[in-house]
Amino acid sequence: DIQMTQSPSSLSASVGDRVTITCRASQTIDTYLNWYQQKPGKAPNLLIYTASSLHTGVPSRFSGTGSGTDFTLTISSLQPEDFATYYCQQSFSTPRTFGQGTRLEIK
Amino acid sequence: QVQLQESGPGLVKPSETLSLTCSVSGGSISNYYWTWIRQPPGKGLEWIGNIYYSGNTNYNPSLKGRVTISVDTSKNQVSLKLTSVTAADTAVYYCATATWLARNNWFDPWGQGTLVTVSS
Repeated sequence: DIQMTQSPSSLSASVGDRVTITCRASQTIDTYLNWYQQKPGKAPNLLIYTASSLHTGVPSRFSGTGSGTDFTLTISSLQPEDFATYYCQQSFSTPRTFGQGTRLEIK
Repeated sequence: QVQLQESGPGLVKPSETLSLTCSVSGGSISNYYWTWIRQPPGKGLEWIGNIYYSGNTNYNPSLKGRVTISVDTSKNQVSLKLTSVTAADTAVYYCATATWLARNNWFDPWGQGTLVTVSS
């Protein structure tokens, strides 16, 4: 199985901050990497697919980069509704695997 | 847009079989892949497996042959069965549509999820 490791596991930030979350794969996955946002008690929502493509309706303050083994999710200017947990997910091979999550909290 | 709704017993006894249904509305079950994902309370996401409407399946080997996913095109439903459950199978279970582009696939939309507790 491909192991996905996110860092940090948790992060405190303020509204307006620029935030970057990192996801590292245990082997190369090309750009087969997706990002999700999950709020408490809710299902995850797709943010970015294929490493850098913004899903329909997702604000442009979200962006993704990377290929191979190292990927980043950046939020350019945090808004109150962005405080949530973020997960990366690889689709290079089966079984699909997720990172452990990064919890973004209000400072 | 397609909407998904999971349903099934919220409590299952150890060693018994967990059975869930995902009802699809707003679109046909045909021509899509369907996925089950679970999330133990307070923990991360685990991919269980997926199925194409034609019946082709892929499962997570970690579930060691305990899982079966099926589709009922006449009812527009996707089903999940997990046998010989233990407390470790306690989780919120989500169904989701798996979209493919080239070799990549992602999960969107998701159902709201249903909590299944394994306890005697």
